[in-house]
Amino acid sequence: KAGVTQTPRYLIKTRGQQVTLSCSPISGHRSVSWYQQTPGQGLQFLFEYFSETQRNKGNFPGRFSGRQFSNSRSEMNVSTLELGDSALYLCASSLDTSGVISGELFFGEGSRLTVL
Amino acid sequence: KQEVTQIPAALSVPEGENLVLNCSFTDSAIYNLQWFRQDPGKGLTSLLLIQSSQREQTSGRLNASLDKSSGRSTLYIAASQPGDSATYLCAVDDDKIIFGKGTRLHILP
Repeated sequence: KAGVTQTPRYLIKTRGQQVTLSCSPISGHRSVSWYQQTPGQGLQFLFEYFSETQRNKGNFPGRFSGRQFSNSRSEMNVSTLELGDSALYLCASSLDTSGVISGELFFGEGSRLTVL
Repeated sequence: KQEVTQIPAALSVPEGENLVLNCSFTDSAIYNLQWFRQDPGKGLTSLLLIQSSQREQTSGRLNASLDKSSGRSTLYIAASQPGDSATYLCAVDDDKIIFGKGTRLHILP
């Protein structure tokens, strides 16, 4: 069974640009959540999608957005990039059958974004 | 606001020793708690998931306990090996997933 796949693995952007990251969950998983990991702040929750609907959102500015497609694949977008957006962006999927995130989270390898 | 703390931040122990990693959280209204390991530059690997109604989970040399009333969880690693060297993270689910900053574990050969 294939794991969580994130693309691209590495990317370099300049300030002011925008970026789109993609996440393909484990087959059958309907919940996808996104996280930002930096040395200073650690892992921080961005948002979570279930059945194409955003169910929860962390404390990030509106420049961070996401969506989920009918096949459960998800994308996140960061607009007007800032130097502080440089981070490892991780997504996780979960077999969520009860309407809340109560299942085990499985993570991808992440997309490492560098903003120059 | 939920806060998750992991102590110690770093730990070095000789190979073969048993060790305990600690995780504390401020709000006991959680759905579950999960322990992960992360190798440098990699994603997270799930180790153990404890639902809020459970007290402990075991997998091989790992045992995790959960005491919701006191806001604590421990991860016990038996007979540590150099391959156990990694950063260990705990996360609680209370509609949002809140992570601790992790414990960097180094097993000395």
